[in-house]
Amino acid sequence: AQSVTQPDIHITVSEGASLELRCNYSYGATPYLFWYVQSPGQGLQLLLKYFSGDTLVQGIKGFEAEFKRSQSSFNLRKPSVHWSDAAEYFCAVSGYSTLTFGKGTMLLVSP
Amino acid sequence: DTAVSQTPKYLVTQMGNDKSIKCEQNLGHDTMYWYKQDSKKFLKIMFSYNNKELIINETVPNRFSPKSPDKAHLNLHINSLELGDSAVYFCASSYQGTSTDTQYFGPGTRLTVL
Repeated sequence: AQSVTQPDIHITVSEGASLELRCNYSYGATPYLFWYVQSPGQGLQLLLKYFSGDTLVQGIKGFEAEFKRSQSSFNLRKPSVHWSDAAEYFCAVSGYSTLTFGKGTMLLVSP
Repeated sequence: DTAVSQTPKYLVTQMGNDKSIKCEQNLGHDTMYWYKQDSKKFLKIMFSYNNKELIINETVPNRFSPKSPDKAHLNLHINSLELGDSAVYFCASSYQGTSTDTQYFGPGTRLTVL
């Protein structure tokens, strides 16, 4: 069965600092991986996705993620965080036509 | 225009009542989903429909019954509501329901059972 682990429940980053959110997945075949963001009281918005090819994928809002098969990871990064990035971030793996989500990482941005 | 919309946004009700949540998508997608997000923010698939046909039915109590009158709508009816049903319910849609499709989410319905 597929699964996703986001080891950090919450992370606090200073505005302007860099960010890395961790995601590890378990899936028997080639994984299709996604990062979604959920702002307070909102639905989920897709940031980026990885299917194949270049292991570094670019997304919206200046986010990028790197797929590392050897580490079963798909970490999300941003070089400079803005206060508006404060939200819940979900990593997900898609297989058998279902999305399996991690438990999310809450990002707090300090001034 | 809102791509995936849900009504109502908030729903407060008593235990034992029956309630429905409606979902509509205007993206022309074939597949629609219902997810439940619990108090710890954990998101779990409940159902998916492809072109009005039930595809995925996770281990959800049979008090929950999805209904898809057409491929643009997927409603969720819940009978005999229980305290544990309190959660945020998200509707989503995708083009054809394949593993590479992006799922587009609605804004959620926060259900509170008293």
